[in-house]
Amino acid sequence: NAGVTQTPKFRVLKTGQSMTLLCAQDMNHEYMYWYRQDPGMGLRLIHYSVGEGTTAKGEVPDGYNVSRLKKQNFLLGLESAAPSQTSVYFCASSYKRTQYFGPGTRLLVL
Amino acid sequence: GIQVEQSPPDLILQEGANSTLRCNFSDSVNNLQWFHQNPWGQLINLFYIPSGTKQNGRLSATTVATERYSLLYISSSQTTDSGVYFCAVERNAGGTSYGKLTFGQGTILTVHP
Repeated sequence: NAGVTQTPKFRVLKTGQSMTLLCAQDMNHEYMYWYRQDPGMGLRLIHYSVGEGTTAKGEVPDGYNVSRLKKQNFLLGLESAAPSQTSVYFCASSYKRTQYFGPGTRLLVL
Repeated sequence: GIQVEQSPPDLILQEGANSTLRCNFSDSVNNLQWFHQNPWGQLINLFYIPSGTKQNGRLSATTVATERYSLLYISSSQTTDSGVYFCAVERNAGGTSYGKLTFGQGTILTVHP
């Protein structure tokens, strides 16, 4: 099993550009999450999903949209990137409440 | 929202030493997890422990939910234990737990050979 994978690993965007981060898991988990981690801080929840076709807002959802069209995939979209969205983005999935994390995507917005 | 405070913020040890990391939280929780973030950024789940005590090798954790704190013990530390240790909790709102975790700021552990 690959576990939780994230694509891409690193990306540079200009202010106003859009992009989609892909998270995939092969563990058949129902719940999936997107977090961001800023320097010197813990992770903050952006959006989460409790099953295919469902999404909900987390602590810091503004400027992001998500979709869960297939159970194994959870997409995070930035419609118009801002420098404040420079961060490391982590995806996770959970089984019996234990969360398993992907390797992260480092995003730089200039 | 719920507040999560971890202490100490930084900890430097010699290989072989023992340590205790603490996590205080401000409200009742139904989900508490400890994670290790290694120097390459990967987050590894160490324990799911909303109450009670668990052990896994040189690591053990205890959560006293009624007093709103959790402790992570690392015995006989090794250089590979270096990294950041995070405590994360979900407030008990009386319904289903969706895993909406709030993370503490972390404890940075450095183990010297």
